[in-house]
Amino acid sequence: NAGVTQTPKFRVLKTGQSMTLLCAQDMNHEYMYWYRQDPGMGLRLIHYSVGEGTTAKGEVPDGYNVSRLKKQNFLLGLESAAPSQTSVYFCASSYRGGRSYEQYFGPGTRLTVT
Amino acid sequence: AQTVTQSQPEMSVQEAETVTLSCTYDTSENNYYLFWYKQPPSRQMILVIRQEAYKQQNATENRFSVNFQKAAKSFSLKISDSQLGDTAMYFCAFMNQGAQKLVFGQGTRLTINP
Repeated sequence: NAGVTQTPKFRVLKTGQSMTLLCAQDMNHEYMYWYRQDPGMGLRLIHYSVGEGTTAKGEVPDGYNVSRLKKQNFLLGLESAAPSQTSVYFCASSYRGGRSYEQYFGPGTRLTVT
Repeated sequence: AQTVTQSQPEMSVQEAETVTLSCTYDTSENNYYLFWYKQPPSRQMILVIRQEAYKQQNATENRFSVNFQKAAKSFSLKISDSQLGDTAMYFCAFMNQGAQKLVFGQGTRLTINP
């Protein structure tokens, strides 16, 4: 049981390049989330999904796209990276409802855009 | 929109002392959940404790307890008998019941000194 995994763990991009971050969970969770964490700030929600084939915008969605073609995977895409997207990205997942409403987090991906 | 405020950017105490981290939030909802997450230098987000808004009794988990004041919209975390391993960033977070999205505070960097 690996929990929530993220690929890659580190990445350096040049401005204008594109990339996809992969999040995978093996807990059969319905809900999945992408957050970004910047220095001096808490995590902010980028996009989220409440089920396979559905996605929705969070607090800071501009410059990102997401897809959830399979229940266990949630992809975050940057079509044209900008230095402002330098951040640590966290994926999380949770059951719909449930006793605890706990979100389980991945280890994070550190992205640097130069 | 909900907001979460942590007014203490940094705190430092001696090992074995008790420390309280503050958190206030703003919401118009009646049913919600509150969380404290710990982020050690490893970057992993770890759930410390949760509180359901409909419960009057304050949650406790071993050395960790909360003081939940619903009318004042306050949710502080008390760490008793602090240990070196408690050194970390601590984030307060709010969750509504719908899409179960988390809204985080800015974090408090806690250092436990030997």
